[in-house]
Amino acid sequence: DQQVKQNSPSLSVQEGRISILNCDYTNSMFDYFLWYKKYPAEGPTFLISISSIKDKNEDGRFTVFLNKSAKHLSLHIVPSQPGDSAVYFCAASALKNSGGSNYKLTFGKGTLLTVNP
Amino acid sequence: DVKVTQSSRYLVKRTGEKVFLECVQDMDHENMFWYRQDPGLGLRLIYFSYDVKMKEKGDIPEGYSVSREKKERFSLILESASTNQTSMYLCASSLPGTSGNIQYFGAGTRLSVL
Repeated sequence: DQQVKQNSPSLSVQEGRISILNCDYTNSMFDYFLWYKKYPAEGPTFLISISSIKDKNEDGRFTVFLNKSAKHLSLHIVPSQPGDSAVYFCAASALKNSGGSNYKLTFGKGTLLTVNP
Repeated sequence: DVKVTQSSRYLVKRTGEKVFLECVQDMDHENMFWYRQDPGLGLRLIYFSYDVKMKEKGDIPEGYSVSREKKERFSLILESASTNQTSMYLCASSLPGTSGNIQYFGAGTRLSVL
């Protein structure tokens, strides 16, 4: 059962416009959410994260929004640039879970973002 | 900067061979992980380790084993490689409890089993 879902396998936007990548989760124990970016033939790199006690976190062109009641988060990239073209993974962790696996991340399947010049 | 180094970028092996994938991190992280990435399936956790000589199965451990003799090194072993193990393998490390368990990844090893 997928606990973290990225329902859009791909997204295409024009340079300069906003990119919105979505992620849904089912496990209410998740209390931290992360976004990773991955170029082909490279490892994922950490982009931005948000704690469940916040509803927004911003870092330059990247903003993550969290809606806990809807179990939904989104990553906004404004303005989008061709260099942003990559696969974006949403991930979640349950830091306060004392079950012993609180250091694991659960990843979605990723969304391929293409930013066209 | 955290550095996670995977020993090979590309490997080609024969069916039935024993394959070793090596990973080294230089930030004294307790946790280390092995994933494989396949198109349409995302990142799937094979094994992880939260301390030297400690290991736990992830979501898809069948056909794999691991070794962690030193804190900085985590090895993934394919006991008898099969064609369905052709994949991109990614190693990661993290400090427990920091900023949501941020994991730092190596560049990956593209393994082809013929």
